[in-house]
Amino acid sequence: GAGVSQSPSNKVTEKGKDVELRCDPISGHTALYWYRQSLGQGLEFLIYFQGNSAPDKSGLPSDRFSAERTGGSVSTLTIQRTQQEDSAVYLCASSSGLGPLEQYFGPGTRLTVT
Amino acid sequence: KNQVEQSPQSLIILEGKNCTLQCNYTVSPFSNLRWYKQDTGRGPVSLTIMTFSENTKSNGRYTATLDADTKQSSLHITASQLSDSASYICVVTFYNAGNMLTFGGGTRLMVKP
Repeated sequence: GAGVSQSPSNKVTEKGKDVELRCDPISGHTALYWYRQSLGQGLEFLIYFQGNSAPDKSGLPSDRFSAERTGGSVSTLTIQRTQQEDSAVYLCASSSGLGPLEQYFGPGTRLTVT
Repeated sequence: KNQVEQSPQSLIILEGKNCTLQCNYTVSPFSNLRWYKQDTGRGPVSLTIMTFSENTKSNGRYTATLDADTKQSSLHITASQLSDSASYICVVTFYNAGNMLTFGGGTRLMVKP
């Protein structure tokens, strides 16, 4: 079946604007993750959804960042009042549940804030 | 603080040669360790997953080892190919942390003909 998809693949926005990034996980996967990868940096955890449980938002860098997952499937990561330091590749991953399971990553959205 | 450190940061080898990438971690308690391969412009792809009770796992030309006592892992690539050029990321999971991952900074490998 289809893998994890993300849209848009590239987004250029002006400082101060809001952006929405979308993630379509693999069908049936209950766990969904958002990560950020800045230029030359490692992957940084942002937020984790597991089924109907309250999401783990411990990785969100500021209150300008929020995410939701509707119907236990598609997720949207929203960044309000974007700053230049928000420029990065935003990666989404999904897995089929709890435990040491395979996380399947999407191709990412490259966000550039000018 | 739980950390994952990888070495070297970058590596250039000739096609056909072997290489070994290192990962040291301070994550405790530890649940499992993964190695991912990330091609430029793509998302990471899992190579191996090892629990604390496993000390080696192979996936084709990739062999990962784990020493839970010294908190070290290595990824050995045999008979390298040009397509092995990528970043290799070591990822450690906290025990009972809901699948939370701590990522290393990665090793950028370039295989030259």
